[in-house]
Amino acid sequence: DGGITQSPKYLFRKEGQNVTLSCEQNLNHDAMYWYRQDPGQGLRLIYYSQIVNDFQKGDIAEGYSVSREKKESFPLTVTSAQKNPTAFYLCASSMPYNEQFFGPGTRLTVL
Amino acid sequence: SQQGEEDPQALSIQEGENATMNCSYKTSINNLQWYRQNSGRGLVHLILIRSNEREKHSGRLRVTLDTSKKSSSLLITASRAADTASYFCATELYGNNRLAFGKGNQVVVIP
Repeated sequence: DGGITQSPKYLFRKEGQNVTLSCEQNLNHDAMYWYRQDPGQGLRLIYYSQIVNDFQKGDIAEGYSVSREKKESFPLTVTSAQKNPTAFYLCASSMPYNEQFFGPGTRLTVL
Repeated sequence: SQQGEEDPQALSIQEGENATMNCSYKTSINNLQWYRQNSGRGLVHLILIRSNEREKHSGRLRVTLDTSKKSSSLLITASRAADTASYFCATELYGNNRLAFGKGNQVVVIP
């Protein structure tokens, strides 16, 4: 059953905590992406990776960090430096210059 | 970074009617893509149209691209209640392999 998965579905963070969102794909895609979506808004790119062990900042990378140690996995850490982290986080993967496949998302809430 | 901008932002139609959404962008693109998002879910890819293409069809969906006007339209024919969703356009620049999303169009189809 091929696809892209994200966990957890819901995540609650206390102020000052770092939290890590998981993203895994078994589509053998080279590229992976992390987006943030706020209510009623479009998607904004946080980080993306076109190949293992390499990644680039997107438009809103401050307060976030990523790693790409395996082709299948692209975890996102929301650090305490991100002052307004409450949002819906979406992970996607693709082959170069083709459509992106999205996971179901993680909803992060700061308590 | 460049963004697609959809117009109109919200659309309410009766089942069986057609729905048209437009998207404009600012600079030359490699391709333009349309996605659908049901409430609280990930995005689903609908159609990708490349810069050298003018029109594409997929089932009840028709997408046009006018590179001289830097605009695209998505037409959903014979709409159904299940078409109720938000629709996003996204543009990919040459050599970029990342997407810039618009803010989305919310479509409500009334049974």
